Amino acid sequence: DAGVTQSPTHLIKTRGQHVTLRCSPISGHKSVSWYQQVLGQGPQFIFQYYEKEERGRGNFPDRFSARQFPNYSSELNVNALLLGDSALYLCASSLRVQTYEQYFGPGTRLTVT
Amino acid sequence: AQSVTQLGSHVSVSEGALVLLRCNYSSSVPPYLFWYVQYPNQGLQLLLKYTSAATLVKGINGFEAEFKKSETSFHLTKPSAHMSDAAEYFCAVPISGGYNKLIFGAGTRLAVHP
Repeated sequence: DAGVTQSPTHLIKTRGQHVTLRCSPISGHKSVSWYQQVLGQGPQFIFQYYEKEERGRGNFPDRFSARQFPNYSSELNVNALLLGDSALYLCASSLRVQTYEQYFGPGTRLTVT
Repeated sequence: AQSVTQLGSHVSVSEGALVLLRCNYSSSVPPYLFWYVQYPNQGLQLLLKYTSAATLVKGINGFEAEFKKSETSFHLTKPSAHMSDAAEYFCAVPISGGYNKLIFGAGTRLAVHP
């Protein structure tokens, strides 16, 4: 079985641009969470989605948004990119929302210049 | 609010030596505690989790951790380090009221030398 997949693996953007990151959960998993991992730090929770609804949001500005599609895949969108948005963006999937078992993808490395 | 602190951003051990990675959580008793490992250019992999069932938790790859309420600690240990254990290790606790929304420590990078 395929694990969590994310695309693209690497991305370089310029300040002020917009970016879309994609995540496909493990087959059968209905919950997707997004994390931002800045170099040298632990991951920080951004969003959780379950059955296409937002079920949690971390302390991130409104420039960050996400959605989940009927097939449970998810997109993370970031507008008006700042240098500080450079990070590894991790997606995690779980079978349901009320579980502590989640599986992480390899991440998308975003560099903002 | 829950939080975790990992003491030591870098730990270096010899192959075959004891591995000890430290994690302390905030004073309110967490429902669960986790250790994750991140190999270079990879996502996070769950090593083990504390779920209140037992204070000594065994995980994958020979790692274990002991929950000590009196010390508010959940340190990760492995009796004998292997070269393949070189990675970054993160301690994590669920956000209050959340399930799979986690707060991670800053991480400890483990180096294993021959």
